[in-house]
Amino acid sequence: QKEVEQNSGPLSVPEGAIASLNCTYSDRVSQSFFWYRQYSGKSPELIMSIYSNGDKEDGRFTAQLNKASQYVSLLIRDSQPSDSATYLCAVKVGSGGSNYKLTFGKGTLLTVNP
Amino acid sequence: SAVISQKPSRDICQRGTSLTIQCQVDSQVTMMFWYRQQPGQSLTLIATANQGSEATYESGFVIDKFPISRPNLTFSTLTVSNMSPEDSSIYLCSVSGRTVGTDTQYFGPGTRLTVL
Repeated sequence: QKEVEQNSGPLSVPEGAIASLNCTYSDRVSQSFFWYRQYSGKSPELIMSIYSNGDKEDGRFTAQLNKASQYVSLLIRDSQPSDSATYLCAVKVGSGGSNYKLTFGKGTLLTVNP
Repeated sequence: SAVISQKPSRDICQRGTSLTIQCQVDSQVTMMFWYRQQPGQSLTLIATANQGSEATYESGFVIDKFPISRPNLTFSTLTVSNMSPEDSSIYLCSVSGRTVGTDTQYFGPGTRLTVL
């Protein structure tokens, strides 16, 4: 059973702080990793993807990947109340083409307090 | 990305009945996925539907309970058959491949199902 584990949360940070969300995965051959944001009552929205070890920055978001440790994280700088949502880590499993799926973690609920 | 719509957006159904959920994409995609998300839980993949082939079901999900159609590259349906209150959930379709890129998935708005 290929698993994706996220820090349980909920996570509460003050406005302007850095929010750190963590995820570990069990399938060592996984190559693609994603972070989705899900507002209450809405569907998941892709916010970051990362494929190589190291950091990938997009605005206030930074994804970090360490394949040796099977660890992926998402940092949100200058957190805003509008960042309050559940963040889902997803790992691509399979060989690609028409034979792959995403395995999702349980999600971490982030609350940014004004 | 793509514009994905689902119908109905929500429904309340009686035990023992069936509901068919539609997923429509505004561009051609290779793969369409159906997920279930129960309250406070993460996403559970029900099945993967590729055009021109039978859907592939995940462990714990069977075709008799969740028949799926995929008649073309922009449309799929999921039927929840012989419903019970345990089927109350949000059902989400997602898409991948071709015009939306092959490496990840984009989600429709979901169908909120309540079974009484």
